[in-house]
Amino acid sequence: GESVGLHLPTLSVQEGDNSIINCAYSNSASDYFIWYKQESGKGPQFIIDIRSNMDKRQGQRVTVLLNKTVKHLSLQIAATQPGDSAVYFCAEYTGGFKTIFGAGTRLFVKA
Amino acid sequence: EAQVTQNPRYLITVTGKKLTVTCSQNMNHEYMSWYRQDPGLGLRQIYYSMNVEVTDKGDVPEGYKVSRKEKRNFPLILESPSPNQTSLYFCASSLGGAAGQETQYFGPGTRLLVL
Repeated sequence: GESVGLHLPTLSVQEGDNSIINCAYSNSASDYFIWYKQESGKGPQFIIDIRSNMDKRQGQRVTVLLNKTVKHLSLQIAATQPGDSAVYFCAEYTGGFKTIFGAGTRLFVKA
Repeated sequence: EAQVTQNPRYLITVTGKKLTVTCSQNMNHEYMSWYRQDPGLGLRQIYYSMNVEVTDKGDVPEGYKVSRKEKRNFPLILESPSPNQTSLYFCASSLGGAAGQETQYFGPGTRLLVL
């Protein structure tokens, strides 16, 4: 069935290093993707998005890469900071109103 | 302040006792949705609403009901809660489902324990 999943449930990085969080999706009809960040005790918050007609999009310290050939999405965080510690979700949209979220990756930033 | 609010934030109840979790948004958003979050399973969509009086099932609608009588409110109703509905629930809203309107704004969550 349709699913959005993540390769790694947890990721630990040193402060100042770059982080890469991965996501695999199975629905080739998905045309829009969003990365959300969820801090402890809070709801998910939008980080960055990308449409299927793009393969890369950059924000402030974050970059999302989309590889439609292998149905893979990644979130890159440059110069990771302690405030980046959170759970990160990718979400998949197929042009309708349903949203499919991945299971999430927990990012730990070591000082 | 633009926000999505949920009440209550924490709830302990017993099997079979009907409960309602309220959700309200002040952004005039057309689209609203309910999710449950369980360890290892991420966020799963329960129900969503495209506009007033228009709702549809998500991936895990069993045991839940919703209504959308007003644009700003989207309550989640558990007619007869069971222990497997113990979870963390999030309400979310967005402008709509069209391109450029998909970004969802989430409430703070409601943690429910059904004994």
